[in-house]
Amino acid sequence: DTAVSQTPKYLVTQMGNDKSIKCEQNLGHDTMYWYKQDSKKFLKIMFSYNNKELIINETVPNRFSPKSPDKAHLNLHINSLELGDSAVYFCASSQLPDRGGGYTFGSGTRLTVV
Amino acid sequence: AQTVTQSQPEMSVQEAETVTLSCTYDTSESDYYLFWYKQPPSRQMILVIRQEAYKQQNATENRFSVNFQKAAKSFSLKISDSQLGDAAMYFCAYSFNKLIFGTGTLLAVQP
Repeated sequence: DTAVSQTPKYLVTQMGNDKSIKCEQNLGHDTMYWYKQDSKKFLKIMFSYNNKELIINETVPNRFSPKSPDKAHLNLHINSLELGDSAVYFCASSQLPDRGGGYTFGSGTRLTVV
Repeated sequence: AQTVTQSQPEMSVQEAETVTLSCTYDTSESDYYLFWYKQPPSRQMILVIRQEAYKQQNATENRFSVNFQKAAKSFSLKISDSQLGDAAMYFCAYSFNKLIFGTGTLLAVQP
């Protein structure tokens, strides 16, 4: 049973296209996140949703739009893709307030923009 | 702003030996959590060990242990009896409602 699942695992697309990455968790957590890992392996938070409400929105281009239809799902839609968007995108979930339960990550989506 | 610093971009250890990965962080909070995550080439993020800041006792998980120095804001990871499967990128992370990562240490294990 996959705790946090992301689809697709790989995504290759052309510049200017619009694409979506889906994430679902079955842990009953109330908070979900999107992280971006760049080519130097640096992981940075992009967004966080708590019970479908946006609570963290880091400095991210507005071409990126998260959507949370319910607390078990957090999707990431990217408009007008650029070469610099190529990265690995991780979805994660946790239970807030933080009780040290940790954050569970999906297996990541490698996005390649050509 | 909270920050996490890992000063060792790469480390190497002989199989069966012990290695320590360093991590320092900066925060004005008193109650928070610290984590070490492992990322093998499969890119899966695997939780190795966690530490609650209000607990003075250092966390241990089998061959993995931490040296948590709250006043110094230091959180190092010790891997004992290193195995080939320990080779991976290791990330130190700080949590206070969101997870903030260090830049990672790439650990190689030599047979």
